[in-house]
Amino acid sequence: GNSVTQMEGPVTLSEEAFLTINCTYTATGYPSLFWYVQYPGEGLQLLLKATKADDKGSNKGFEATYRKETTSFHLEKGSVQVSDSAVYFCALTLNAGNMLTFGGGTRLMVKP
Amino acid sequence: DGGITQSPKYLFRKEGQNVTLSCEQNLNHDAMYWYRQDPGQGLRLIYYSQIVNDFQKGDIAEGYSVSREKKESFPLTVTSAQKNPTAFYLCASSAAGGEKPSPLHFGNGTRLTVT
Repeated sequence: GNSVTQMEGPVTLSEEAFLTINCTYTATGYPSLFWYVQYPGEGLQLLLKATKADDKGSNKGFEATYRKETTSFHLEKGSVQVSDSAVYFCALTLNAGNMLTFGGGTRLMVKP
Repeated sequence: DGGITQSPKYLFRKEGQNVTLSCEQNLNHDAMYWYRQDPGQGLRLIYYSQIVNDFQKGDIAEGYSVSREKKESFPLTVTSAQKNPTAFYLCASSAAGGEKPSPLHFGNGTRLTVT
């Protein structure tokens, strides 16, 4: 079956530090990959996506590159802010029906 | 503003009672979904519907039921058969046409506590 594995959190960083959240996947075909972000008390928001190998998704300073050879989609940001504190979910879908398979989520805490 | 509204934000029930969670969207999306979120387990799909009057079971449908009588509404009933109902429930929707895959739009969730 399909699955997504994320690094366990929480990840605690100081403001302006470099962020990496690892995500690897297992899929029976060629999935589209996503990062969603969940701020406290809210639902999830799409952060970025990539639909084919070597695509780079980017938004709000965050980036992730679809690496087919390592089945990975690691999230990076060069300089985090306190406002980036949230839970980040990696996800994949294999079909136009948009049934997403989510990773377990990684909580990021950024301290001033 | 277009969006997804889930109500209520917090819900408390006694064990053995059925409870219905509301989800309404004004995005004119064809597809709607219910996910359950538990700490450390990510999101798991309960039910989804791609068109009015039709819906399919997701990965963890046991103990839940849904209806899709209107395009904008997709209520979820947590029945007394659900063994572990306390969780955070998220409703989502997506467009059927346009870019593929269509991004999911989520509501702000309902936190259900059953005692």
